[in-house]
Amino acid sequence: GENVEQHPSTLSVQEGDSAVIKCTYSDSASNYFPWYKQELGKRPQLIIDIRSNVGEKKDQRIAVTLNKTAKHFSLHITETQPEDSAVYFCAANKAAGNKLTFGGGTRVLVKP
Amino acid sequence: NAGVTQTPKFQVLKTGQSMTLQCAQDMNHEYMSWYRQDPGMGLRLIHYSVGAGITDQGEVPNGYNVSRSTTEDFPLRLLSAAPSQTSVYFCASSYLDHSYEQYFGPGTRLTVT
Repeated sequence: GENVEQHPSTLSVQEGDSAVIKCTYSDSASNYFPWYKQELGKRPQLIIDIRSNVGEKKDQRIAVTLNKTAKHFSLHITETQPEDSAVYFCAANKAAGNKLTFGGGTRVLVKP
Repeated sequence: NAGVTQTPKFQVLKTGQSMTLQCAQDMNHEYMSWYRQDPGMGLRLIHYSVGAGITDQGEVPNGYNVSRSTTEDFPLRLLSAAPSQTSVYFCASSYLDHSYEQYFGPGTRLTVT
């Protein structure tokens, strides 16, 4: 089945610096790659997603890149702020359907 | 438009007890799913449904049953709770064909003693 690996598991950055989280997936049929942010005690919230027909997508300070050949995708957060501190999860859909397989999560701490 | 709702928010069970976690959505989503999230870990798919009357197993289905009698509701049943089922349970829903974006409920924190 689909396997999604996420690195690093924890990431500490200085406010204003950039943060990068990387994920790899195994199912070559995957065509949808969302990123979720989860604050402590809250539900996961979608922050950005990318489909396999594009290589990059940006939304203000957040961007995602996708390399289908290498089967990896990355989340980039620029000009980090304390409110970016949270756990971030990547995911990939299985067999181009709705089922999502999640990575293990990255705990991001932005130090003021 | 309430989105995805879950009840209860918290529950404590004794080993061997049974209970049902409720999930409902008002967005007319065909796809609904249940995940469990253990401390410091990602979300693992328990069961999912692509429409009323259709359910299937995810990665970790053992110990759980589901049914989907309506588009709106997707309850998760624990038949005989075990300490290994202590976790936070999230329900999620999405459209089936033209958007994969999944909306999550607020979660149910379950402790089995």
